[in-house]
Amino acid sequence: GNSVTQMEGPVTLSEEAFLTINCTYTATGYPSLFWYVQYPGEGLQLLLKATKADDKGSNKGFEATYRKETTSFHLEKGSVQVSDSAVYFCALSDRVGGFKTIFGAGTRLFVKA
Amino acid sequence: DTAVSQTPKYLVTQMGNDKSIKCEQNLGHDTMYWYKQDSKKFLKIMFSYNNKELIINETVPNRFSPKSPDKAHLNLHINSLELGDSAVYFCASSQEPRGTEAFFGQGTRLTVV
Repeated sequence: GNSVTQMEGPVTLSEEAFLTINCTYTATGYPSLFWYVQYPGEGLQLLLKATKADDKGSNKGFEATYRKETTSFHLEKGSVQVSDSAVYFCALSDRVGGFKTIFGAGTRLFVKA
Repeated sequence: DTAVSQTPKYLVTQMGNDKSIKCEQNLGHDTMYWYKQDSKKFLKIMFSYNNKELIINETVPNRFSPKSPDKAHLNLHINSLELGDSAVYFCASSQEPRGTEAFFGQGTRLTVV
């Protein structure tokens, strides 16, 4: 079945540091890939997405590239801010999986001033 | 305007009680979901409805029963609540079951004492 594996947290960085959160997936079809962000006490919000191989999703300075050859969708940001502190979820959805969105375990990010 | 709204936001109840959580979306989406998030932030899909029809029913105890009176509403009723049901429950919707992104409500924090 489909699955998503992302790096365990928490990740603690200083402001303006470079961020990478690794995500790899297993899927039998051709999934769409997503990164969602959850701020404290809130629901999940879509951060970015990519629907086919080599697509790059980007939003708010975050980027991720759909790599079919390595089945990866790593999240990166060049300079994090305190306001980026949140839990980040990698996710996939495809027809073979019944269209349900499968989430990774989430990675908590703390950014210190 | 809130796109996906759930009520109540907090729910504290005793073991053995029956409770309901309501969800409404004003996005015109065809598909709605219920997810459970445990204390470690792990998200697991419970149910999915498309145009009022159940399309995904994961391994969830029979005590949980979703009801969709129309495609804008998906309520979750839980019978005979147990301590292990304590979690945050998220409602979500998407345009169609085609791998598009989901929009989440703010969550309902259920505490069973």
